[in-house]
Amino acid sequence: NAGVMQNPRHLVRRRGQEARLRCSPMKGHSHVYWYRQLPEEGLKFMVYLQKENIIDESGMPKERFSAEFPKEGPSILRIQQVVRGDSAAYFCASSPIGLAGEYEQYFGPGTRLTVT
Amino acid sequence: QKEVEQNSGPLSVPEGAIASLNCTYSDRGSQSFFWYRQYSGKSPELIMSIYSNGDKEDGRFTAQLNKASQYVSLLIRDSQPSDSATYLCAVNKAELTFGQGTILTVHP
Repeated sequence: NAGVMQNPRHLVRRRGQEARLRCSPMKGHSHVYWYRQLPEEGLKFMVYLQKENIIDESGMPKERFSAEFPKEGPSILRIQQVVRGDSAAYFCASSPIGLAGEYEQYFGPGTRLTVT
Repeated sequence: QKEVEQNSGPLSVPEGAIASLNCTYSDRGSQSFFWYRQYSGKSPELIMSIYSNGDKEDGRFTAQLNKASQYVSLLIRDSQPSDSATYLCAVNKAELTFGQGTILTVHP
């Protein structure tokens, strides 16, 4: 049973370019979450998606960042016109539907974005 | 006040000792609590989840939850050098809110 998959594992972009990060959830999981971990900082929630729906994007910067989870294919976190401050580790997590409201989340290996 | 606070650490314990990690949270409506372990340069790994007041044991790990005090802890018995990592407390509504983490070092 494959875990959460993310690609690429490392991504280098020049300032002003676009970054696309992909996440495939664990088999049987229908909830996807994106988190960002800046150097020497904690993990911060960005966005929560289910298939074809954004449930909560309260942690997403208002500009340049977008996320989707289409009916077919992986979830994608898109960062337009990257700046050096976007350099961070981006983690995707997935969870099943919790029957009693619990949502154990399992993390992928992350994508380490470096903006030069 | 931060939503989730952990004892600042770093915490250093000798091999074989008990390591005690603490966490408090501010939202009384929180229902789900998790401990993750994160090795340097790696992703968080779920080690314990707890939903009800009391203790939950899994091998060398025991999580304790006290909702009245808004407190959750993790005990690691018979600590091993391989337990050296950052331990993250997380509280869940749907998305996870993480504490800053406590760095644990277990020295031989």
